[in-house]
Amino acid sequence: EVQLVESGGGLVKPGGSLRLSCVGSGFTFSNAWMNWVRQAPGKGLEWVGRIKSKPDGGTTDYAAPVKGRFTVSRDDSKNTVWLQMNSLKTEDTAVYYCVTGLPLDYWGQGTLVTVSS
Amino acid sequence: QSALTQPASVSGSPGQSITISCTGTSSDVGSNNLVSWYQHHPGKAPKFLIYEGSKRPSGVSNRFSGSKSGNTASLTISGLQAEDEADYYCCSYVGSSLYVFGTGTKVTVL
Repeated sequence: EVQLVESGGGLVKPGGSLRLSCVGSGFTFSNAWMNWVRQAPGKGLEWVGRIKSKPDGGTTDYAAPVKGRFTVSRDDSKNTVWLQMNSLKTEDTAVYYCVTGLPLDYWGQGTLVTVSS
Repeated sequence: QSALTQPASVSGSPGQSITISCTGTSSDVGSNNLVSWYQHHPGKAPKFLIYEGSKRPSGVSNRFSGSKSGNTASLTISGLQAEDEADYYCCSYVGSSLYVFGTGTKVTVL
């Protein structure tokens, strides 16, 4: 059974940083493209960014609102993907989901990030 | 890149069929076959329903079907059931390795 478990969410002040983690199991993590998707309170889903598998180049891509502030990285030996979030803004407040593949086939339960002073 | 346009809400009675539209442009929905659909019950993880416009992953009920015409993709739910009450989102590849979701549609079973 595929499982994705996110952690690292919490309350942070505007301008601050936070790093989210996602540990995957039940699938070949090293072959998976890994995404982060978020949902702000009362809003819809928003694709945040993705890292390809190393065999596919391991490159990253980001949505315009987070490009230059957020970084996705991975350690296949730990079955873990991270989302480093810097220069956080109030509009980054959301539940952040770790998601496999493209299309987005397996989703974690999400972790809440609140950016507020 | 703006979100794809979906109706805010769609409703139907049990047993009926409903269709949710997802309208983009010739640069996204109209330019590829990489539209997917997701069901989201609030508080739970979203569920993958449709990929490449009309293909169902294993385990997804055949009551869910997808199609596309021009710049608009559609999700049809047939034989509507109470458990289908949820939010539904489309998602499309928009080029340059980027993806965008639709605005979301709340489905109500009357």
